[in-house]
Amino acid sequence: QSVLTQPPSASGTPGQRVTISCSGSSPNIGSNIVNWYQQLPRTAPKLLIYATTQRPSGVPDRFSGSKSGTSASLVISGLQSEDEADYYCAAWDDSLNGAYVFGTGTKVTVL
Amino acid sequence: QVTLRESGPALVKPTQTLTLTCTVSGFSLSTSGMCVSWIRQPPGKALEWLAVIDWDDDKYYRTSLKTRLTISKDTSKNQVVLTMTNMDPVDTATYYCARSPGSLYSIYPLDYWGQGTLVTVSA
Repeated sequence: QSVLTQPPSASGTPGQRVTISCSGSSPNIGSNIVNWYQQLPRTAPKLLIYATTQRPSGVPDRFSGSKSGTSASLVISGLQSEDEADYYCAAWDDSLNGAYVFGTGTKVTVL
Repeated sequence: QVTLRESGPALVKPTQTLTLTCTVSGFSLSTSGMCVSWIRQPPGKALEWLAVIDWDDDKYYRTSLKTRLTISKDTSKNQVVLTMTNMDPVDTATYYCARSPGSLYSIYPLDYWGQGTLVTVSA
């Protein structure tokens, strides 16, 4: 089972702000950077946020990431219909003889 | 242009060994820092990281599957191979390979992904 816990779902109307949490522990989020991946329906995941706060080229600035202690957050400011997707946090975990761990995933629905 | 493409059997029987190949282009597996991971996703479920191999042949595995997994690479063929022994129906999933331009335990993410290949385990 995953060591990074996310809410199963989140929703909002177009233009609203949506926050997705990712709860971990000292060996993972507490010690390492966090990445976020977006998976649109029936497609491969895509890198959305890296190094906790950085957006790759081409990712809209309505997506932002942050971290505090052993938890991280992804914020979508100004939700758009094309943001309806599954979102996963991920981090390296120092405690499992070294392993990359994904969160449980959050399905974002645009109402 | 960076691309990764997974290939392998769509159907395997329980207890068989699965061999998947990730063929990459647009970058070299021998470039300092370069890593390729395998990730799987059971139908309707979350992503699960399985293994990573780096440019220097260092390897890490998902702890719960470590005894069943082997990751290797053939730099001359631009391929990374994952074998998983003793397949079970619970291993039914879409299997992805993905690149990171540096170590996953530093600041580097999985920045390019293949399209995935669905593997079904059934008698």
